[in-house]
Amino acid sequence: EVQLVESGGGLVQPGGSLRLSCAASGFTFSNYWMSWVRQAPGKGLEWVANIKLDGSEMYSMDSMKGRFTISRDNAKNSLYLQMNSLRAEDTAVYYCTRGSAWGADYWGQGTLVTVSS
Amino acid sequence: DVVMTQSPLSLPVTLGQPASISCRSSQSLVYSDGNTYLIWFQQRPGQSPRRLIYKVSNRDSGVPDRFSGSASGTDFTLTISRVEAEDVGVYYCMQGTHWPPTFGGGTKVEIK
Repeated sequence: EVQLVESGGGLVQPGGSLRLSCAASGFTFSNYWMSWVRQAPGKGLEWVANIKLDGSEMYSMDSMKGRFTISRDNAKNSLYLQMNSLRAEDTAVYYCTRGSAWGADYWGQGTLVTVSS
Repeated sequence: DVVMTQSPLSLPVTLGQPASISCRSSQSLVYSDGNTYLIWFQQRPGQSPRRLIYKVSNRDSGVPDRFSGSASGTDFTLTISRVEAEDVGVYYCMQGTHWPPTFGGGTKVEIK
């Protein structure tokens, strides 16, 4: 059974940093692109970033470039999102998903990031 | 960016009756490989999104066959042939053909 379990969310002050993790199981992690998608409270879905099978290519939304970095460790079956210079508008539930925007077939339960002073 | 316009915003339906959700893209979603990367997601209250349909009309494993997807040019439709109580939630379309991927604003399906 495919499982994606996010962790690392929490309350952080504006300008602060957080590192989200996603532990994957039930499939061969290194065979899939992986992605992050977020959802602000009561709002719709927004793509954040995705990363190629071997981590050699990464793509992120313009509004997050330079602040958010996606990475992966295939030996640990884990996906990460390093978030720096956080703003109030980054407050959201962050979901880990399997696949690129062509797939996104499995989603984790999400981890809530709250940016507030 | 490609704009995905969903309608209606809210869809009250009677149990057992059909329901249709529309999603219009601001440009063609046909990729250079000939595929159209249009996905439909369901998000039940308090849950994560779940993929229902990929590449316009391919139903995911475990998705009831009352769900179907279709397209006409840049107009895409998700149809529920007979709505059941478990279908309540918000439905999103998403295009993955062009970077960045973009979502429709969502359609909330509720029971009358």
